[in-house]
Amino acid sequence: TQLLEQSPQFLSIQEGENLTVYCNSSSVFSSLQWYRQEPGEGPVLLVTVVTGGEVKKLKRLTFQFGDARKDSSLHITAAQPGDTGLYLCAGRNNFNKFYFGSGTKLNVKP
Amino acid sequence: KAGVTQTPRYLIKTRGQQVTLSCSPISGHRSVSWYQQTPGQGLQFLFEYFSETQRNKGNFPGRFSGRQFSNSRSEMNVSTLELGDSALYLCASSLALAGWITDTQYFGPGTRLTVL
Repeated sequence: TQLLEQSPQFLSIQEGENLTVYCNSSSVFSSLQWYRQEPGEGPVLLVTVVTGGEVKKLKRLTFQFGDARKDSSLHITAAQPGDTGLYLCAGRNNFNKFYFGSGTKLNVKP
Repeated sequence: KAGVTQTPRYLIKTRGQQVTLSCSPISGHRSVSWYQQTPGQGLQFLFEYFSETQRNKGNFPGRFSGRQFSNSRSEMNVSTLELGDSALYLCASSLALAGWITDTQYFGPGTRLTVL
Protein backbone atom coordinates (compact mmCIF):
# COMPACT_ATOMS: atom_id res chain seq x y z
CA THR A 1 0.00 0.00 0.00
CA GLN A 2 1.12 3.54 -0.76
CA LEU A 3 1.76 5.89 2.13
CA LEU A 4 0.54 8.72 -0.10
CA GLU A 5 -2.59 8.23 -2.18
CA GLN A 6 -3.03 10.39 -5.23
CA SER A 7 -6.27 10.93 -7.09
CA PRO A 8 -7.28 10.78 -9.76
CA GLN A 9 -4.84 8.35 -11.36
CA PHE A 10 -5.67 9.52 -14.87
CA LEU A 11 -7.10 12.76 -16.13
CA SER A 12 -7.85 13.67 -19.75
CA ILE A 13 -9.21 17.16 -20.29
CA GLN A 14 -9.57 19.81 -22.98
CA GLU A 15 -7.32 22.84 -23.17
CA GLY A 16 -8.73 25.67 -21.06
CA GLU A 17 -10.35 23.48 -18.41
CA ASN A 18 -9.46 23.59 -14.71
CA LEU A 19 -8.40 20.56 -12.68
CA THR A 20 -7.39 19.54 -9.17
CA VAL A 21 -5.14 16.68 -8.13
CA TYR A 22 -5.23 15.39 -4.56
CA CYS A 23 -2.54 13.82 -2.42
CA ASN A 24 -3.70 12.24 0.86
CA SER A 25 -2.04 10.39 3.71
CA SER A 26 -2.69 9.37 7.28
CA SER A 27 0.91 10.35 8.10
CA VAL A 28 2.25 13.77 8.97
CA PHE A 29 5.08 15.11 6.83
CA SER A 30 7.63 17.81 7.59
CA SER A 31 7.30 19.01 4.01
CA LEU A 32 5.55 18.02 0.83
CA GLN A 33 6.77 18.43 -2.71
CA TRP A 34 5.10 18.30 -6.10
CA TYR A 35 6.96 17.12 -9.18
CA ARG A 36 6.16 16.84 -12.87
CA GLN A 37 7.69 14.06 -14.93
CA GLU A 38 7.72 13.76 -18.70
CA PRO A 39 8.41 10.53 -20.62
CA GLY A 40 12.09 9.62 -20.66
CA GLU A 41 12.96 12.21 -18.02
CA GLY A 42 13.34 12.31 -14.27
CA PRO A 43 10.84 14.22 -12.12
CA VAL A 44 11.29 17.98 -11.93
CA LEU A 45 10.42 19.81 -8.73
CA LEU A 46 7.52 22.28 -9.01
CA VAL A 47 7.12 23.39 -5.40
CA THR A 48 7.86 22.57 -1.76
CA VAL A 49 5.30 23.37 0.94
CA VAL A 50 6.32 23.29 4.57
CA THR A 51 3.75 25.02 6.78
CA GLY A 52 0.29 23.59 7.47
CA GLY A 53 -2.31 25.58 5.55
CA GLU A 54 0.32 27.05 3.23
CA VAL A 55 -0.77 28.07 -0.26
CA LYS A 56 1.74 28.68 -3.05
CA LYS A 57 1.03 29.92 -6.54
CA LEU A 58 3.16 29.38 -9.62
CA LYS A 59 1.51 31.12 -12.55
CA ARG A 60 -1.55 28.92 -13.29
CA LEU A 61 -0.67 26.33 -10.64
CA THR A 62 -1.86 26.61 -7.03
CA PHE A 63 -0.54 24.28 -4.35
CA GLN A 64 -2.03 23.84 -0.90
CA PHE A 65 -0.71 21.99 2.14
CA GLY A 66 -3.35 20.74 4.55
CA ASP A 67 -3.57 22.26 8.03
CA ALA A 68 -2.50 18.95 9.60
CA ARG A 69 0.32 18.49 7.06
CA LYS A 70 -1.12 15.17 5.92
CA ASP A 71 -2.55 16.14 2.56
CA SER A 72 -2.05 18.48 -0.33
CA SER A 73 -3.69 19.56 -3.54
CA LEU A 74 -2.55 20.92 -6.88
CA HIS A 75 -4.96 23.06 -8.86
CA ILE A 76 -4.29 24.02 -12.48
CA THR A 77 -6.28 26.84 -14.04
CA ALA A 78 -6.89 26.96 -17.80
CA ALA A 79 -4.80 23.86 -18.54
CA GLN A 80 -2.61 23.89 -21.64
CA PRO A 81 -1.18 20.99 -23.68
CA GLY A 82 2.23 21.83 -22.21
CA ASP A 83 0.89 20.82 -18.79
CA THR A 84 0.65 17.21 -19.96
CA GLY A 85 2.73 14.86 -17.85
CA LEU A 86 2.87 12.73 -14.72
CA TYR A 87 2.34 14.71 -11.52
CA LEU A 88 3.84 13.26 -8.36
CA CYS A 89 3.54 14.33 -4.77
CA ALA A 90 6.23 13.38 -2.28
CA GLY A 91 6.18 13.70 1.48
CA ARG A 92 9.33 14.02 3.53
CA ASN A 93 9.28 12.65 7.06
CA ASN A 94 11.34 13.68 10.06
CA PHE A 95 14.04 11.16 9.12
CA ASN A 96 14.62 12.81 5.75
CA LYS A 97 12.94 9.95 3.91
CA PHE A 98 10.78 10.66 0.89
CA TYR A 99 7.55 8.83 0.11
CA PHE A 100 6.07 9.33 -3.33
CA GLY A 101 2.45 9.11 -4.37
CA SER A 102 1.44 6.80 -7.20
CA GLY A 103 1.12 9.75 -9.58
CA THR A 104 -1.56 11.40 -11.69
CA LYS A 105 -1.21 11.11 -15.44
CA LEU A 106 -2.58 14.29 -17.01
CA ASN A 107 -3.34 14.64 -20.70
CA VAL A 108 -4.46 18.04 -21.96
CA LYS A 109 -5.94 17.89 -25.44
CA PRO A 110 -5.66 20.93 -27.74
CA LYS B 1 25.86 23.85 -14.12
CA ALA B 2 25.56 20.31 -15.44
CA GLY B 3 22.60 18.32 -14.15
CA VAL B 4 22.54 14.86 -12.64
CA THR B 5 23.83 12.31 -15.10
CA GLN B 6 23.14 8.61 -15.09
CA THR B 7 24.82 5.88 -17.10
CA PRO B 8 23.91 3.84 -18.91
CA ARG B 9 20.52 5.13 -20.03
CA TYR B 10 19.30 1.72 -21.16
CA LEU B 11 20.31 -1.77 -20.13
CA ILE B 12 19.09 -5.25 -20.98
CA LYS B 13 20.08 -8.14 -18.74
CA THR B 14 18.93 -11.70 -18.16
CA ARG B 15 17.73 -13.28 -14.95
CA GLY B 16 20.50 -14.19 -12.52
CA GLN B 17 22.94 -11.61 -13.81
CA GLN B 18 24.08 -8.60 -11.85
CA VAL B 19 24.14 -4.96 -12.87
CA THR B 20 25.85 -1.75 -11.78
CA LEU B 21 24.33 1.66 -12.44
CA SER B 22 26.19 4.92 -12.08
CA CYS B 23 25.12 8.39 -10.99
CA SER B 24 27.08 11.65 -11.09
CA PRO B 25 25.44 14.32 -8.93
CA ILE B 26 25.41 18.05 -9.53
CA SER B 27 28.74 19.56 -8.55
CA GLY B 28 28.73 20.45 -4.85
CA HIS B 29 25.84 18.17 -3.96
CA ARG B 30 26.67 15.79 -1.13
CA SER B 31 23.57 13.62 -0.96
CA VAL B 32 22.60 11.04 -3.55
CA SER B 33 19.37 9.05 -3.38
CA TRP B 34 18.22 6.15 -5.53
CA TYR B 35 14.66 5.30 -6.49
CA GLN B 36 12.96 2.53 -8.42
CA GLN B 37 10.01 3.50 -10.61
CA THR B 38 7.59 0.91 -11.98
CA PRO B 39 4.06 1.30 -13.41
CA GLY B 40 2.61 -0.84 -10.62
CA GLN B 41 4.45 0.47 -7.55
CA GLY B 42 5.31 4.00 -8.62
CA LEU B 43 8.44 5.66 -7.27
CA GLN B 44 9.97 3.81 -4.35
CA PHE B 45 12.94 4.91 -2.28
CA LEU B 46 15.93 2.56 -2.32
CA PHE B 47 18.61 4.33 -0.29
CA GLU B 48 20.38 7.62 0.33
CA TYR B 49 24.10 8.24 0.61
CA PHE B 50 25.72 11.22 2.27
CA SER B 51 29.47 11.67 2.63
CA GLU B 52 30.11 8.09 1.52
CA THR B 53 27.77 6.66 4.17
CA GLN B 54 24.35 5.15 3.73
CA ARG B 55 22.09 7.49 5.70
CA ASN B 56 18.67 6.07 4.83
CA LYS B 57 17.37 2.82 3.43
CA GLY B 58 14.07 1.74 1.91
CA ASN B 59 12.41 -1.67 2.07
CA PHE B 60 14.28 -3.52 -0.63
CA PRO B 61 16.06 -6.90 -0.36
CA GLY B 62 19.80 -7.12 0.19
CA ARG B 63 20.31 -7.81 -3.53
CA PHE B 64 20.11 -4.05 -3.91
CA SER B 65 23.19 -2.24 -2.68
CA GLY B 66 24.99 0.98 -3.31
CA ARG B 67 27.97 3.06 -2.47
CA GLN B 68 29.20 6.61 -2.73
CA PHE B 69 32.68 7.74 -3.56
CA SER B 70 34.64 10.67 -2.14
CA ASN B 71 33.68 12.82 -5.14
CA SER B 72 29.98 12.13 -4.32
CA ARG B 73 29.48 9.96 -7.39
CA SER B 74 27.37 6.93 -6.56
CA GLU B 75 26.84 3.45 -7.89
CA MET B 76 23.97 1.08 -7.37
CA ASN B 77 24.30 -2.67 -7.74
CA VAL B 78 21.62 -5.29 -8.16
CA SER B 79 22.71 -8.92 -7.91
CA THR B 80 20.87 -12.04 -9.05
CA LEU B 81 18.45 -10.09 -11.21
CA GLU B 82 14.78 -11.07 -11.25
CA LEU B 83 12.13 -10.24 -13.85
CA GLY B 84 10.47 -7.94 -11.32
CA ASP B 85 13.59 -5.77 -11.19
CA SER B 86 12.72 -4.34 -14.60
CA ALA B 87 12.18 -0.66 -13.90
CA LEU B 88 13.40 2.88 -14.34
CA TYR B 89 16.10 3.55 -11.76
CA LEU B 90 16.36 7.20 -10.83
CA CYS B 91 19.10 8.98 -8.99
CA ALA B 92 18.59 12.32 -7.26
CA SER B 93 21.14 14.64 -5.71
CA SER B 94 20.81 17.48 -3.24
CA LEU B 95 23.00 19.90 -1.35
CA ALA B 96 21.92 18.42 2.00
CA LEU B 97 22.64 21.60 3.89
CA ALA B 98 21.49 22.10 7.48
CA GLY B 99 17.80 22.99 7.48
CA TRP B 100 17.11 20.17 5.09
CA ILE B 101 13.33 20.59 5.18
CA THR B 102 13.45 22.64 1.99
CA ASP B 103 16.44 20.87 0.47
CA THR B 104 15.68 20.28 -3.20
CA GLN B 105 16.26 16.97 -4.94
CA TYR B 106 17.34 17.12 -8.56
CA PHE B 107 16.66 13.97 -10.54
CA GLY B 108 18.65 12.46 -13.35
CA PRO B 109 16.96 11.04 -16.48
CA GLY B 110 17.17 7.50 -15.13
CA THR B 111 18.45 4.15 -16.31
CA ARG B 112 15.85 1.91 -17.94
CA LEU B 113 16.67 -1.67 -16.90
CA THR B 114 14.97 -4.56 -18.65
CA VAL B 115 15.43 -8.07 -17.25
CA LEU B 116 14.62 -10.92 -19.65
